Amino acid sequence: ELKVEQNPLFLSMQEGKNYTIYCNYSTTSDRLYWYRQDPGKSLESLFVLLSNGAVKQEGRLMASLDTKARLSTLHITAAVHDLSATYFCAVASLGGATNKLIFGTGTLLAVQP
Amino acid sequence: EAGVAQSPRYKIIEKRQSVAFWCNPISGHATLYWYQQILGQGPKLLIQFQNNGVVDDSQLPKDRFSAERLKGVDSTLKIQPAKLEDSAVYLCASSVGGSRSYNEQFFGPGTRLTVL
Repeated sequence: ELKVEQNPLFLSMQEGKNYTIYCNYSTTSDRLYWYRQDPGKSLESLFVLLSNGAVKQEGRLMASLDTKARLSTLHITAAVHDLSATYFCAVASLGGATNKLIFGTGTLLAVQP
Repeated sequence: EAGVAQSPRYKIIEKRQSVAFWCNPISGHATLYWYQQILGQGPKLLIQFQNNGVVDDSQLPKDRFSAERLKGVDSTLKIQPAKLEDSAVYLCASSVGGSRSYNEQFFGPGTRLTVL
């Protein structure tokens, strides 16, 4: 059974600082997604990572994937308050045509001025 | 392009009552998903439809939850009777489906259910 773990669960950081969120998963997969969720809102897709070594960047966020280590990272550069949200990674469960996503527990990011 | 629509946005009921949620996916999306997101957790898939057929309902509590997608477009999720532990946000998502190499899921705003 595919399990997805994120850490840390909560991250309080100051504006201007850098930090990394980690996403580990337990079995082989071919797709990993990062989503952002603001309080009371739905999930917004940030990145889709499809292959080993994939790296994608958007603004102050950069995501990478190491399929051999079953690890993805979401790196935050020079954080700003607008990045405060909960970030989820989700891993596609292989097998059949289900496209089933298993989500991590989420990382609540609070960027302090 | 319109996104995934859901209604109602909020619902408060007492335990043992029934409730139904509605979802309208993005036009042309063949695959529709219902997720349950309990406070402080990631979403958990309840059921997945491909057109109007069920692909995966392995985590749907079938004794009280039911879902349908009769014409392959809109979908309803029903809970009868509701329990306290059903309090959660119910998210609907849709994807293009078919043979694309990745089927990115687009999420609706969710329905927040509180069971008292």
